Amino acid sequence: KQEVTQIPAALSVPEGENLVLNCSFTDSAIYNLQWFRQDPGKGLTSLLLIQSSQREQTSGRLNASLDKSSGRSTLYIAASQPGDSATYLCAVPWAGNMLTFGGGTRLMVKP
Amino acid sequence: DAGVIQSPRHEVTEMGQEVTLRCKPISGHDYLFWYRQTMMRGLELLIYFNNNVPIDDSGMPEDRFSAKMPNASFSTLKIQPSEPRDSAVYFCASTRSSGAEAFFGQGTRLTVV
Repeated sequence: KQEVTQIPAALSVPEGENLVLNCSFTDSAIYNLQWFRQDPGKGLTSLLLIQSSQREQTSGRLNASLDKSSGRSTLYIAASQPGDSATYLCAVPWAGNMLTFGGGTRLMVKP
Repeated sequence: DAGVIQSPRHEVTEMGQEVTLRCKPISGHDYLFWYRQTMMRGLELLIYFNNNVPIDDSGMPEDRFSAKMPNASFSTLKIQPSEPRDSAVYFCASTRSSGAEAFFGQGTRLTVV
């Protein structure tokens, strides 16, 4: 069964810093990995989907990388803003379609 | 498209009562998923459907939980009877095809007192 771990569990940074969130998974036989953002009391918003054939995916100030062989993905946020404060979750599918989620990284960007 | 729509957004009920959560997936999406989120266990998959057919319900915690998808645009998750430990946020998600990008609804926050 797939297990997904996210480090750190919480992160507090001053505005403007570049930061990296980490995600690791135990079964490297995946065909994609998805990063989500969750605001308090809200649903999950899809940020990026990386296919296994890709190594990186970019959207605005966000860049996600995937290294299947080592079972790792990183989400890079450039020039962080207070509006980036949220919980970030990574998820990988196993047995075809069932997403397994990490525990999330709770990010606080201070003005 | 309005995205995945769930109702109600909040539900407070007494122990022993029946609770029904509703979900409308994105039009054209063939897969529908029900997840539960708690502080202790994070996000857990309960059940998923493909073309209205339940494929895997191994995450359904007990026989008190049941889910249906009578047509491509509607699904329900029912808990009968409800218990305080069922209190959680329940999310519905849909994907266009196998392994495609997943889109989530805003969730239903269930409180059983």
